[in-house]
Amino acid sequence: KQEVTQIPAALSVPEGENLVLNCSFTDSAIYNLQWFRQDPGKGLTSLLLIQSSQREQTSGRLNASLDKSSGRSTLYIAASQPGDSATYLCALGGNYGQNFVFGPGTRLSVLP
Amino acid sequence: SAVISQKPSRDICQRGTSLTIQCQVDSQVTMMFWYRQQPGQSLTLIATANQGSEATYESGFVIDKFPISRPNLTFSTLTVSNMSPEDSSIYLCSVEGRGSKDTQYFGPGTRLTVL
Repeated sequence: KQEVTQIPAALSVPEGENLVLNCSFTDSAIYNLQWFRQDPGKGLTSLLLIQSSQREQTSGRLNASLDKSSGRSTLYIAASQPGDSATYLCALGGNYGQNFVFGPGTRLSVLP
Repeated sequence: SAVISQKPSRDICQRGTSLTIQCQVDSQVTMMFWYRQQPGQSLTLIATANQGSEATYESGFVIDKFPISRPNLTFSTLTVSNMSPEDSSIYLCSVEGRGSKDTQYFGPGTRLTVL
């Protein structure tokens, strides 16, 4: 059974800092890995999707890496802004991307 | 991406009653998913709903407690039956991505509080 953990559980940083969020998983037989952000009352927004054959994906100030052999993924946020404040979830997709297993999330606060 | 709406956005219900949550998508999709997010916890998949067939429930979830309808390719409902305070959660529906079945898009969620 896939188990997903995220460290830290919560993080508070001043605006402008670069930061790294961590996601660990127990079963490396994944189809893909996806990072989401969750804003209160707005559901989940997909940030980056990494296929199992890929090592990283980039979108703007965000960079996500995947190391299946060690069961880890990181989400790097450059030059953080108050608008980045949200809960960040990683999710492992098995079985052609379905049956997502979510991590518990990291709650990020970026202070102005 | 898909645009997903849910009704109601939130509700407060009495123990023993039932609530039906609606999920509407702006395009036809084959698979729709229902998730529960209990307070302070991450998302747990309840069931997968395909149009024209019975929903497939994950371990720990049963049809009598969470009946699901999927009458067409753009709509689904989840009913939370005989509610107890332990059912207080956010319920989210999601769909697979158009053009890319590797991702999922989520609705805004329904925040349910059971007294």
